[in-house]
Amino acid sequence: GNSVTQMEGPVTLSEEAFLTINCTYTATGYPSLFWYVQYPGEGLQLLLKATKADDKGSNKGFEATYRKETTSFHLEKGSVQVSDSAVYFCALPHSGGGADGLTFGKGTHLIIQP
Amino acid sequence: NAGVTQTPKFRVLKTGQSMTLLCAQDMNHEYMYWYRQDPGMGLRLIHYSVGEGTTAKGEVPDGYNVSRLKKQNFLLGLESAAPSQTSVYFCASSYSQQGRETQYFGPGTRLLVL
Repeated sequence: GNSVTQMEGPVTLSEEAFLTINCTYTATGYPSLFWYVQYPGEGLQLLLKATKADDKGSNKGFEATYRKETTSFHLEKGSVQVSDSAVYFCALPHSGGGADGLTFGKGTHLIIQP
Repeated sequence: NAGVTQTPKFRVLKTGQSMTLLCAQDMNHEYMYWYRQDPGMGLRLIHYSVGEGTTAKGEVPDGYNVSRLKKQNFLLGLESAAPSQTSVYFCASSYSQQGRETQYFGPGTRLLVL
């Protein structure tokens, strides 16, 4: 099945700093790619996604571009806020069909200090 | 709409006891999933269902059973709990099998096996 590797944290930044969380993947074909976010005590929720190569997903000031040349989907935000403190997961379908769930990275714990 | 709900939120079991975790969704989704989340491991798929009356094994199915008797419900059973099953369990659902579809997660069930 497909696999994903993301940088592990915790990542600690000051408010208004620039954020990059790296994610690279190994897959058959060109699957959709996802970033999910988990706020403390909650379940995961979709942050953004990209369904084909060169697509850029964006939401809440976060962006990620599907780079097939480098098999990467790095998450970026220009100016982070304390409310962005959470765990971020990169994910893709376990297999090409997508019916058998998602494969997640181990998660990156982001801590934003005021 | 409530989305995806899970019952119970927290449970403590003794080794060898059994229990059932309930997941319910009100979005008329065909696909449902059970994941477990462990520190430093990300989320791993336990079992999934592609429709009412169907179930399939995921990455870590041993020690668990599932049933999908109604489209809106997906039950996860532990017949004889072990300390290794201490984890946070998340249920998710999606509308279709296509890999680009968003999965919607419940708030999680925290299980402690003593």
